[in-house]
Amino acid sequence: EAQVTQNPRYLITVTGKKLTVTCSQNMNHEYMSWYRQDPGLGLRQIYYSMNVEVTDKGDVPEGYKVSRKEKRNFPLILESPSPNQTSLYFCASSTTGTEPYGYTFGSGTRLTVV
Amino acid sequence: DQQVKQNSPSLSVQEGRISILNCDYTNSMFDYFLWYKKYPAEGPTFLISISSIKDKNEDGRFTVFLNKSAKHLSLHIVPSQPGDSAVYFCAASAGNNDMRFGAGTRLTVKP
Repeated sequence: EAQVTQNPRYLITVTGKKLTVTCSQNMNHEYMSWYRQDPGLGLRQIYYSMNVEVTDKGDVPEGYKVSRKEKRNFPLILESPSPNQTSLYFCASSTTGTEPYGYTFGSGTRLTVV
Repeated sequence: DQQVKQNSPSLSVQEGRISILNCDYTNSMFDYFLWYKKYPAEGPTFLISISSIKDKNEDGRFTVFLNKSAKHLSLHIVPSQPGDSAVYFCAASAGNNDMRFGAGTRLTVKP
């Protein structure tokens, strides 16, 4: 089954404790991206990657890091989480082409930083 | 600065009637528009899209209309069904994989 898998689904952590949210896709997609969803703000892009070893900032990159060492994986790293990073996070992937294709999203990771 | 706006946080309609969800955008470089549907505890799923060279795209009960001069698009669902109850996100792209999303509209279809 074609899918984007995120782990964990739920996470409660303390301020300053480094954490990684994993994202993996099995569709051989070139493009991957991370979004956060907050009430009234919709989905805001954190980072994206056009292909292996190519990453770039989205609209809200502060406090986050990413890496793209393999095509299938795109982990999101919070080096020193803060309470304002409490949010619902989604990883997405798509193929690339002359027209934007619909994203395939993961099921989400609900992060709470206390 | 939200480039894609969904001004109605919620919408409630009766089963069998039409649901109309609206979306406005500000960036004239956007030329591809998509709608996503999201159920609780799941990620958004792609629903329907439209290119700026068209003004209408239909897929079963779902139709998206685009008014480029007004920078406005809408999603029509006819007839609405209780299973359509979800949050709907409008998204726009300037011809690459980068998309901007609206804040979402929660649709409730009452039996």
